[in-house]
Amino acid sequence: GAVVSQHPSWVICKSGTSVKIECRSLDFQATTMFWYRQFPKQSLMLMATSNEGSKATYEQGVEKDKFLINHASLTLSTLTVTSAHPEDSSFYICSASPSGEQYFGPGTRLTVT
Amino acid sequence: AQKVTQAQTEISVVEKEDVTLDCVYETRDTTYYLFWYKQPPSGELVFLIRRNSFDEQNEISGRYSWNFQKSTSSFNFTITASQVVDSAVYFCALDTSGTYKYIFGTGTRLKVLA
Repeated sequence: GAVVSQHPSWVICKSGTSVKIECRSLDFQATTMFWYRQFPKQSLMLMATSNEGSKATYEQGVEKDKFLINHASLTLSTLTVTSAHPEDSSFYICSASPSGEQYFGPGTRLTVT
Repeated sequence: AQKVTQAQTEISVVEKEDVTLDCVYETRDTTYYLFWYKQPPSGELVFLIRRNSFDEQNEISGRYSWNFQKSTSSFNFTITASQVVDSAVYFCALDTSGTYKYIFGTGTRLKVLA
């Protein structure tokens, strides 16, 4: 199957700082990627759709100025959590699809202290 | 409204028992896709199956089987002869009109005891 990677796998940052998470499709090109957030023992919630070469589309209730998404190439999308706060601590997962089903990255666990 | 309901929050079974995970979905679209994913403790989602709304055939893959019934809007997942390695959280997901924007259920945590 298709492979999607994320970096870093986990990150700890101090409140007020920004952190960038990368999502790469390793063996296919993806004009669209998706970012999800998963709080402990909860379901995945779609945050935004990352579109190569254009602005991301955010789901209702997601602050676009806080979660900056850049999809600069057909294999890379980045999510930057700006001015992170403890409530942003979560498991962030990206996904992409060569066709049909989505393939998910391994996730990035963000802890804001 | 589009929604996926997994009413079973947690299930515990003893190894070799069969177990069925329920999934009920809501959508007004006539074209949609249903999925099951496994999330082991490592966190990475593992794709199990994709089914489109026009294909109601049941599917069997090894110890896994799926029962899709449009009449009851259900897409249930059965593991036969469960094993400890099956312990994970299982998510059912809905994609309407092939938008790739998945709506996930709340997941069912399966614990298989040795």
